[in-house]
Amino acid sequence: SQTIHQWPATLVQPVGSPLSLECTVEGTSNPNLYWYRQAAGRGLQLLFYSVGIGQISSEVPQNLSASRPQDRQFILSSKKLLLSDSGFYLCAWSRRPLDTQYFGPGTRLTVL
Amino acid sequence: GQQLNQSPQSMFIQEGEDVSMNCTSSSIFNTWLWYKQDPGEGPVLLIALYKAGELTSNGRLTAQFGITRKDSFLNISASIPSDVGIYFCAGQDFGNEKLTFGTGTRLTIIP
Repeated sequence: SQTIHQWPATLVQPVGSPLSLECTVEGTSNPNLYWYRQAAGRGLQLLFYSVGIGQISSEVPQNLSASRPQDRQFILSSKKLLLSDSGFYLCAWSRRPLDTQYFGPGTRLTVL
Repeated sequence: GQQLNQSPQSMFIQEGEDVSMNCTSSSIFNTWLWYKQDPGEGPVLLIALYKAGELTSNGRLTAQFGITRKDSFLNISASIPSDVGIYFCAGQDFGNEKLTFGTGTRLTIIP
């Protein structure tokens, strides 16, 4: 069966510090991968998605970037965090572009 | 861009009551999904709908894909304490890798 992992589970970072969140998927190959952000009490906002290694599509202009160095690894990064980057970050995968998306457990980021 | 209106925003019910929530879209979707999110966790898929008019059940949950392709409904029968959480609808249109999410319905069960 397929599983999706996110690391770390929680993170508290000062403004201006760098960020690296990791997402890995097991049990499947060549998945579509997605990064979402969820502000407190709000819905999910798609940040990036990837259909393959090195292929990243950005949905909204922002302080964040994404990379896919390996088939089942998706990384969300920032060079300098802003207060507005605080939120709950969710990674998701699907088998194919039009397939159902399955979510990881999330990373709660607090920028102080 | 597409927008999903989900209602109600919140519900306060007593254990054993039935629950109904819905999502409406400004445009057509080819897939409707319903997710449940517990506090501090990622959303978990409850039901997926792929055909207009489709009615699908998962235990006490029943969801329908509206005939117009612009709406979907989720019903929960005989609610229990573990039903507490936030329910999200999501729509996907053909040829688009992205999901559009509703704003969520927060379900609270009053003791």
